[in-house]
Amino acid sequence: AQTVTQSQPEMSVQEAETVTLSCTYDTSESDYYLFWYKQPPSRQMILVIRQEAYKQQNATENRFSVNFQKAAKSFSLKISDSQLGDAAMYFCAYRRIILNTNAGKSTFGDGTTLTVKP
Amino acid sequence: DTGVSQDPRHKITKRGQNVTFRCDPISEHNRLYWYRQTLGQGPEFLTYFQNEAQLEKSRLLSDRFSAERPKGSFSTLEIQRTEQGDSAMYLCASLDRFFNEQFFGPGTRLTVL
Repeated sequence: AQTVTQSQPEMSVQEAETVTLSCTYDTSESDYYLFWYKQPPSRQMILVIRQEAYKQQNATENRFSVNFQKAAKSFSLKISDSQLGDAAMYFCAYRRIILNTNAGKSTFGDGTTLTVKP
Repeated sequence: DTGVSQDPRHKITKRGQNVTFRCDPISEHNRLYWYRQTLGQGPEFLTYFQNEAQLEKSRLLSDRFSAERPKGSFSTLEIQRTEQGDSAMYLCASLDRFFNEQFFGPGTRLTVL
């Protein structure tokens, strides 16, 4: 079974600084997707960034980027120029590719609570 | 607003009662997922549908849980004879297969007294 581990229950960063959230996963599959989601307090979970395992290039979305190390099964999220609005719980998630579709279930880590200090 | 909606947002019930939650996905999404999230943990998969077909169920989904998606549109999740351990946030998501993104609803928070 796939597992996702986030070893940092809480992280804090000064506004405008950079922070990296860690995630490791375990799978025997070679094809899959990895995601980072943001869940602000009492608000909906939204997708921050995704990575296809077959792509060697690390995904980037504005201030958010990932460091994907497939052999090490590591998928960290870097947030640059942190803003107060980045404060939230961040979840790392894995989704297996089934029969060339992206329809499978997602497996989530237990999250990292990010605090941004002004 | 054309996002995923869930109803009710909060439900308080007494142990032993039955509860039903509803999820309305984004209209063009044919895949719909239910997850359960307890405090301090990530969402755990419960079940998912492609159109009206329920394709996978987690072992977490005991006999007291049932989900339906009639006509492949909205979905309901029913919990019979609720237990205190059922207290959690129940999340619904629908999948945009072209852009490979799950869109989550706001969740239904269940409290079983």
